Amino acid sequence: DAKTTQPPSMDCAEGRAANLPCNHSTISGNEYVYWYRQIHSQGPQYIIHGLKNNETNEMASLIITEDRKSSTLILPHATLRDTAVYYCIVRGSGGGADGLTFGKGTHLIIQP
Amino acid sequence: DSGVTQTPKHLITATGQRVTLRCSPRSGDLSVYWYQQSLDQGLQFLIHYYNGEERAKGNILERFSAQQFPDLHSELNLSSLELGDSALYFCASSVGPSGNTDTQYFGPGTRLTVL
Repeated sequence: DAKTTQPPSMDCAEGRAANLPCNHSTISGNEYVYWYRQIHSQGPQYIIHGLKNNETNEMASLIITEDRKSSTLILPHATLRDTAVYYCIVRGSGGGADGLTFGKGTHLIIQP
Repeated sequence: DSGVTQTPKHLITATGQRVTLRCSPRSGDLSVYWYQQSLDQGLQFLIHYYNGEERAKGNILERFSAQQFPDLHSELNLSSLELGDSALYFCASSVGPSGNTDTQYFGPGTRLTVL
């Protein structure tokens, strides 16, 4: 699975959109981009995933650049409960039997 | 609530002891993954079972073992415990055996403290 790079921390004001970037310049054609978050010491929570088209669900939107070398997770109206560590993970079909590879993620802090 | 359950929530034991952690996957999921999260190592994949069979191993110590039962619940056995085994242990479940669209859903974890 391709390696990802994320900023270690970010701040965002409550009610504003939080935009979390992720670089995955070595991503290959069949690899998906997944986002998870972990609030304090709870289990990681699945947010969204995508291949090349932009995706949206009830939690967030995922924007993947046309060359697929980077992506942005957007939380449209951040709340204090969105404070968490956000992980961007690239997952290929070849690594499916293995577990997810978590990096250090981005610690997003929502400010009141 | 992901639908994945883990017991116990907390476990405190002594060095040299053996413990068993339990995981019940979401209804309909056949895969169970185990992960360890310690302060210095982050979240690390340990082992994956699919429909009762071991599929892949990650950074799992020889002192650790796992199995998945016919009802699809899984147990992670940790023996000869050391102080460094203190960590959060998560299981995750997914529908299929593999694949880049097979989303994993995580349980709430078991916090193990070895004294």
